[in-house]
Amino acid sequence: AQKVTQAQTEISVVEKEDVTLDCVYETRDTTYYLFWYKQPPSGELVFLIRRNSFDEQNEISGRYSWNFQKSTSSFNFTITASQVVDSAVYFCALKGGETSGSRLTFGEGTQLTVNP
Amino acid sequence: EPEVTQTPSHQVTQMGQEVILRCVPISNHLYFYWYRQILGQKVEFLVSFYNNEISEKSEIFDDQFSVERPDGSNFTLKIRSTKLEDSAMYFCASIEHRQLSSYEQYFGPGTRLTVT
Repeated sequence: AQKVTQAQTEISVVEKEDVTLDCVYETRDTTYYLFWYKQPPSGELVFLIRRNSFDEQNEISGRYSWNFQKSTSSFNFTITASQVVDSAVYFCALKGGETSGSRLTFGEGTQLTVNP
Repeated sequence: EPEVTQTPSHQVTQMGQEVILRCVPISNHLYFYWYRQILGQKVEFLVSFYNNEISEKSEIFDDQFSVERPDGSNFTLKIRSTKLEDSAMYFCASIEHRQLSSYEQYFGPGTRLTVT
């Protein structure tokens, strides 16, 4: 069975602060894929990043960065110099490989509020 | 940029009524999904569909649910006799078959279903 845990239900920061959203996953597959999605108040799901299990290189995209550590089964997401527009619910998701079909398993989400 | 579309954006129905939620996946995509999100909760997988048949379904997808691809463009989710607990946001997603292994799903904007 697959599982994604986002222990932080809500985070509130002041604009320009850095914030890290935690994600811990469980899977029996040796090949798997990890994702982050953003859900703004309008409700749609916006794809942010995909990471393959065989690629542990961290990634930076503008103010966003992701830290993937297989040793701790974590895929954390950092927003640098947060902005009010970053306020949203952020979901971490897992797609297994050989045994888990093609479904995405989502975490519970972290509500991020960035205050001016 | 091509996108997944869903209609209606909001559907209100009475308990016991049948509803059909409609999705138009991206035109060259071959693998389709339905997910749901009860208000304030995580996104949950319902069903995946490929080559005109269900390829995987979750325990949520019971006999009250069905999916269909009635023509070359639409993908529908039918709920035969709605219950109050079916109230949720329903997301459609699609993926190009050849990208299945790397698995970037494109989500539609969602249909909010309210059962009264």
